[in-house]
Amino acid sequence: GAVVSQHPSRVICKSGTSVKIECRSLDFQATTMFWYRQFPKQSLMLMATSNEGSKATYEQGVEKDKFLINHASLTLSTLTVTSAHPEDSSFYICSALAGGVYEQYFGPGTRLTVT
Amino acid sequence: AQSVAQPEDQVNVAEGNPLTVKCTYSVSGNPYLFWYVQYPNRGLQFLLKYITGDNLVKGSYGFEAEFNKSQTSFHLKKPSALVSDSALYFCAVRDRNNFNKFYFGSGTKLNVKP
Repeated sequence: GAVVSQHPSRVICKSGTSVKIECRSLDFQATTMFWYRQFPKQSLMLMATSNEGSKATYEQGVEKDKFLINHASLTLSTLTVTSAHPEDSSFYICSALAGGVYEQYFGPGTRLTVT
Repeated sequence: AQSVAQPEDQVNVAEGNPLTVKCTYSVSGNPYLFWYVQYPNRGLQFLLKYITGDNLVKGSYGFEAEFNKSQTSFHLKKPSALVSDSALYFCAVRDRNNFNKFYFGSGTKLNVKP
């Protein structure tokens, strides 16, 4: 099956610093990648959708200057949380779509803790 | 508006008993429907999908789901639950008119007790 990796799996950073999370599709080319944030009470919140080589489409209420998304190639998307604050602490999950495939494939997630 | 509802935050079932996790949807046109499972501190794993054809679809780990167009439902089922099935389950629908749009339910925590 399709494999999506995320790195790092866990990161702790100080308030005010920036953190980059990588999402890679390992055995397929991802036409579209998605970034989600998962809150403690389990629900998934879609943050943005990105297509290779074009600007990401952010969901309403998600600050694009704070959550920078780059989809530089068909196998790599990055999410950078800039000037992180404790309220940005969360579980971030990426997913990827391959052409001609109906379902998304998810990465294992990144636990971000901002102190 | 497109939406997916999982009416139960939590489902408790004894090991060996059948389980059902409910999902209803509201979309225009015929839906593409999915179930995913999430174990603690992990990403979501794809379980099964309905695209077209037979209303009963079978997926991984012995799970199946039935597409019911009249009731706009896609309930997840398994004849005999295992303790290892305890996890968080998400139903999702993909918009046929906008292929990049997926709508997820709020998730249902399944607890299977020995």
